[in-house]
Amino acid sequence: AQSVTQLDSQVPVFEEAPVELRCNYSSSVSVYLFWYVQYPNQGLQLLLKYLSGSTLVKGINGFEAEFNKSQTSFHLRKPSVHISDTAEYFCAVRQNTGNQFYFGTGTSLTVIP
Amino acid sequence: ETGVTQSPTHLIKTRGQQVTLRCSSQSGHNTVSWYQQALGQGPQFIFQYYREEENGRGNFPPRFSGLQFPNYSSELNVNALELDDSALYLCASSSGPVDEQYFGPGTRLTVT
Repeated sequence: AQSVTQLDSQVPVFEEAPVELRCNYSSSVSVYLFWYVQYPNQGLQLLLKYLSGSTLVKGINGFEAEFNKSQTSFHLRKPSVHISDTAEYFCAVRQNTGNQFYFGTGTSLTVIP
Repeated sequence: ETGVTQSPTHLIKTRGQQVTLRCSSQSGHNTVSWYQQALGQGPQFIFQYYREEENGRGNFPPRFSGLQFPNYSSELNVNALELDDSALYLCASSSGPVDEQYFGPGTRLTVT
């Protein structure tokens, strides 16, 4: 089974400042990587995904993530956050031969005006 | 195009009871996956249904069961409810077992 570690449970950041949300996974096989966002009382929305190719992946709402195979990491970044980015962010992994997603425990991003 | 819908939105049950949660998949999708999200945790995979057959199961006891219908909508049934079953239950539909999953808003189950 895979495990996904999101090192920061809560990240407060001022509006228009940059942010990085960290994600590490444990796997010795090829994986696909995902970041989802969850707003209060809502389901998950896909921000971006890495399947293959360029290790820098751009997603919606100005977010991007970089896949680092040697460090088994897939950190999420945004150069300038907005109040509307306040939400819970989940990193997820799926083996490229499997159908099961493994999620981290989430990082709560709070953007301070 | 209609997205993934789930019903009911909220549900309160008593320990020992049984519950059925419903999910309508997105148009054109033949696969539904169910997840349990406990408070403060990430979603955990319960099982997946593909073309009306179970296609993979996470670490959940047999009292968690499911169905998928010919129109690809799905049900999650939980028998003998326990307090720890209190959670947000999410379903996700996809155009295939390993394709991108689109999540519904969830059903929040409270067991008292």
